[in-house]
Amino acid sequence: SYELTQPPSVSVSPGQTATITCSGDALPRAYTFWYQQKSGQAPVLVIHEDNKRPSGIPERFSGSSSGTVATLTISGAQVEDEGDYYCYSTHSNGDHGVFGGGTKLAVL
Amino acid sequence: QITLKESGPTLVKPTQTLTLTCTFSGFSLTTGGVSVAWIRQPPGKALEWLGVIFWDDERRYSPSVKSRLTITKHTSKKQVVLTMSKMDPVDTATYFCVHSRKPDYSPYQYYFGLGVWGQGTTVTVS
Repeated sequence: SYELTQPPSVSVSPGQTATITCSGDALPRAYTFWYQQKSGQAPVLVIHEDNKRPSGIPERFSGSSSGTVATLTISGAQVEDEGDYYCYSTHSNGDHGVFGGGTKLAVL
Repeated sequence: QITLKESGPTLVKPTQTLTLTCTFSGFSLTTGGVSVAWIRQPPGKALEWLGVIFWDDERRYSPSVKSRLTITKHTSKKQVVLTMSKMDPVDTATYFCVHSRKPDYSPYQYYFGLGVWGQGTTVTVS
């Protein structure tokens, strides 16, 4: 079955740049979305269509995609950015959605 | 403002059928490009995409649950219903419904992006 692969955890100090990757064979042909989930809460969209930031999401969040790897970058990470981050895209046959395994971001 | 809220039983027995309702406001499921998807998350685990229903009643399901899952919409009631048969303890999870609308610039007939999420409802199978 098709998979999106993320690192289990990323840790940065406040003010540093956090980078979370998502790899999948179909990513060259499909958009990647990124969701932030804080403990006990529903996920929130932070990046859509590879690199578009919804209104209300801080400018320090950005996304990119190249080949089979999509990247979420948080420039100048803040303590409030801690949480789980999930990438999401469509299956290689374009027929259903797929999530990555999630990355726990620690800012400390 | 778009809002969605999931409702249904918190506890079901193994082999029973689960029925969850997503009641939404702020959009219509008759508008072209609009969809509502169901996502679940077992305790301490990753999100899992289950299925989606589009404005034109087209549906897509995850292969992992396709044989057990049905998603229907009741447009006038502004509700989407998830029905999952043969529930098992591994189906214990928080279930979310999610709104989406295809951007005007999207070249695809069906858009699988996920936008606004409901708060989720927890279902235990035991």
